[in-house]
Amino acid sequence: EVQLVQSGAEVKKPGESLKISCKGFGYSFTSSWIAWVRQMPGKGLEWMGIIYPGDSDTRYSPSFQGQVTISADRSISTAYLQWSSLKASDTAMYYCARQGAIDVWGQGTTVTVSS
Amino acid sequence: DIQMTQSPSSLSASVGDRVTITCRASQGIRNDLGWYQQKPGKAPKRLIYSASSLQSGVPSRFSGSGSGTEFTLTISSLQPEDFATYYCLQHNSYPFTFGQGTKLEIK
Repeated sequence: EVQLVQSGAEVKKPGESLKISCKGFGYSFTSSWIAWVRQMPGKGLEWMGIIYPGDSDTRYSPSFQGQVTISADRSISTAYLQWSSLKASDTAMYYCARQGAIDVWGQGTTVTVSS
Repeated sequence: DIQMTQSPSSLSASVGDRVTITCRASQGIRNDLGWYQQKPGKAPKRLIYSASSLQSGVPSRFSGSGSGTEFTLTISSLQPEDFATYYCLQHNSYPFTFGQGTKLEIK
């Protein structure tokens, strides 16, 4: 069974750094794109960016370019989303998902940023 | 960027009703569109891919149509478990973009 398993909920303070993860199971991790999607409380889905773990080709939405970094470690079938300096407005649920035509979703990681 | 305009933003309907949700793309995207259902507190689930292909395991009351700039998701006979929020996603050109969502509520 194809699965994406995300890291657990995080509570951080403004200005702190954070890296959340998404591990793929049941398929060739290096042969499928991994996207990240944000959902702010009570709001819709926002496409943030995507990475191809096979060669680390990465594309960002202009809305998120420079705000986050997407990376992957193919040796452990894991993709990452990281922030260098969190803001309260980064409070949201973050989903990883497989492929551009998303077919499988992770369970989501809640990030709460509050002083 | 390609803008996806989804309508309506909310919809009130009864069990057994036929419902249609529309997504319009700001430029042609061929059939590079999927439809997703999200229930509260859960990750989204794909219903339709390539605009009109039914995802395995999804009930046949769900159908998709369209190509180019206009797409529809139809639920032929609403069931209680269908009350949720629905999104379209275009994956034709970067950045990929979601519609704003349609919240389907019980009348």
